[in-house]
Amino acid sequence: AQTVTQSQPEMSVQEAETVTLSCTYDTSENNYYLFWYKQPPSRQMILVIRQEAYKQQNATENRFSVNFQKAAKSFSLKISDSQLGDTAMYFCAFMKPRMNSGGSNYKLTFGKGTLLTVNP
Amino acid sequence: ETGVTQSPTHLIKTRGQQVTLRCSSQSGHNTVSWYQQALGQGPQFIFQYYREEENGRGNFPPRFSGLQFPNYSSELNVNALELDDSALYLCASSFGGGVPDTQYFGPGTRLTVL
Repeated sequence: AQTVTQSQPEMSVQEAETVTLSCTYDTSENNYYLFWYKQPPSRQMILVIRQEAYKQQNATENRFSVNFQKAAKSFSLKISDSQLGDTAMYFCAFMKPRMNSGGSNYKLTFGKGTLLTVNP
Repeated sequence: ETGVTQSPTHLIKTRGQQVTLRCSSQSGHNTVSWYQQALGQGPQFIFQYYREEENGRGNFPPRFSGLQFPNYSSELNVNALELDDSALYLCASSFGGGVPDTQYFGPGTRLTVL
């Protein structure tokens, strides 16, 4: 079974600064997908960024980028130029696609989350 | 394009009762997954439906059941409610067309069991 570990329950950062959230995972699979989701107080889970394990290039989405280290099973999220609206719970998630006649999607396995607070 | 919607927003039930939660998938998506998120925890996978059939199940008892309809909307039913069922229930939709796809979440239903 896959496990996802987020070792930082809480973090804080000053507005406009850079912060990195850590995530490690355990799997014996070679092909999988990794995600970062944010969940603001409104509680809607919003996709931040996605990384395919077969891609060596780290994913980026505007101010958000990842450092994907496959051998180390590490998947950290860097937020540059932090904004007040980035305040949220951030979840790292793992997905092992299952290919069968019933569809190729499968479950997300989440970490426990990191509460990020951006201070003015 | 319409996003994932869930109803109701909040629900209060008493132990032993039954509850039905509803989810409308995003336009173009044919797969719905349900997750339970206890307070202070990450979401836990309950089950997934693809084209009206259960496509995978997590470690939840049979009193958690579901349905998916021809329009790909879905219901989560929980029988014989227990206090520990109090949680945020999230549904997520995706396109299960042979290529692994990102799951997009609805706003959730907060269930309180008294």
